[in-house]
Amino acid sequence: SYVLTQPPSVSVAPEKTALITCEANNVATKAVHWYQQKPGQAPVLVMYRDGIRPSAIPARFSAATSGDTATLAISGVEAGDEAVYYCQVWDPSVHECVFGGGTQLTVL
Amino acid sequence: QERLVESGGGVVQPGRSLRLSCVASGLTMTFESVQWVRQTPGKGLEWVTLLTPDTRKQVYAESVRGRFSVSRDTRRQIVFLEMNTPRFDDTATYYCARHRDDVSFDLWGRGTLVTV
Repeated sequence: SYVLTQPPSVSVAPEKTALITCEANNVATKAVHWYQQKPGQAPVLVMYRDGIRPSAIPARFSAATSGDTATLAISGVEAGDEAVYYCQVWDPSVHECVFGGGTQLTVL
Repeated sequence: QERLVESGGGVVQPGRSLRLSCVASGLTMTFESVQWVRQTPGKGLEWVTLLTPDTRKQVYAESVRGRFSVSRDTRRQIVFLEMNTPRFDDTATYYCARHRDDVSFDLWGRGTLVTV
């Protein structure tokens, strides 16, 4: 089955840029979506189809996919961005939805 | 305002049945794309049910196939997840969530905890 690999944790200083990666074989051939989940809350979609932001998500969030790596970038990181971030794809060949294991973003 | 609200979670013995409900309100997109995702305690997300974007077919994750089933009351905008013969590893918070045609989940409920 298709596996999305994320680093367990990423730390970044306030106002810097956080980069969260999601690796899988030829992930650029699939639409990658990203979610933010804060403690005790449901996930929130922050990016879909590789790099489209829902209207409620600030422009500090961006994403790109190339080859085997999808990357979520958060510029000007704020304390409120501290959360677990998940990537996700749909594999139509086997009718499977796959989530990455999640990355804990810590703001120093 | 679009909203999803789950209910029906609780403690269930292995092998007994449990039915979860998800009430949708204010939806501007198709109700049939409201499906189920779960999250095990302290762990990540796992899809449970989906509507295939190409053939509009209801599909189930391998871990629940043959045991769980989705039904709907379209008039009242309620989605049900019937959990038959639950196992210990079905313990999780169950979210109902709507997915788009690209299978991104753009609307989530707050979740309901099921403990087997």
